[in-house]
Amino acid sequence: EADIYQTPRYLVIGTGKKITLECSQTMGHDKMYWYQQDPGMELHLIHYSYGVNSTEKGDLSSESTVSRIRTEHFPLTLESARPSHTSQYLCASSDYGGRAADTQYFGPGTRLTVL
Amino acid sequence: TQLLEQSPQFLSIQEGENLTVYCNSSSVFSSLQWYRQEPGEGPVLLVTVVTGGEVKKLKRLTFQFGDARKDSSLHITAAQPGDTGLYLCAGVSWEAGGTSYGKLTFGQGTILTVHP
Repeated sequence: EADIYQTPRYLVIGTGKKITLECSQTMGHDKMYWYQQDPGMELHLIHYSYGVNSTEKGDLSSESTVSRIRTEHFPLTLESARPSHTSQYLCASSDYGGRAADTQYFGPGTRLTVL
Repeated sequence: TQLLEQSPQFLSIQEGENLTVYCNSSSVFSSLQWYRQEPGEGPVLLVTVVTGGEVKKLKRLTFQFGDARKDSSLHITAAQPGDTGLYLCAGVSWEAGGTSYGKLTFGQGTILTVHP
């Protein structure tokens, strides 16, 4: 059973607001990821981290930023939300289990709606 | 850029029918994973296939990795309403230089609905 948590699960906010999506994992995994997913569609990687103080941008350009001050915590921040940011945001973590066994465990996601 | 084409995008079948979902790419992957995602939840890993030509079975689900490690299929026998969900394939590749980051490239997903 994977222990990775995201809050809030649902968020409806107005344009221009600053928001932070929280993600925490209790498995001690070094690697963490943020994906963006539109309903019923593929996941697009927007940020990842190899460990504390390490963050990288993913394949999909995003106006969001992330930080990794603690191993278990990987929050995502939008300084000024816009309707184009409306989407589902999924957090995941993994531990290196060898090239064939690097499994990512996903949180339940945050569904963000920007009005 | 690596791309994974997944088909069909939608599948609506009756309980008891068989189905196959395909995942194709022009790129070679180190391994390929299949996930299932239910509404309001994150994806859950079903299987990882590693060797070209590999076949793995998980109860009524059979996963196959192509010989050239560019394609994969998921076959479900005697589908049940509990199989309903979004099925995603994801190719695993590794950055040159040996970083420990296993990058996942996801297909578009197949929305499966199994009617009782």
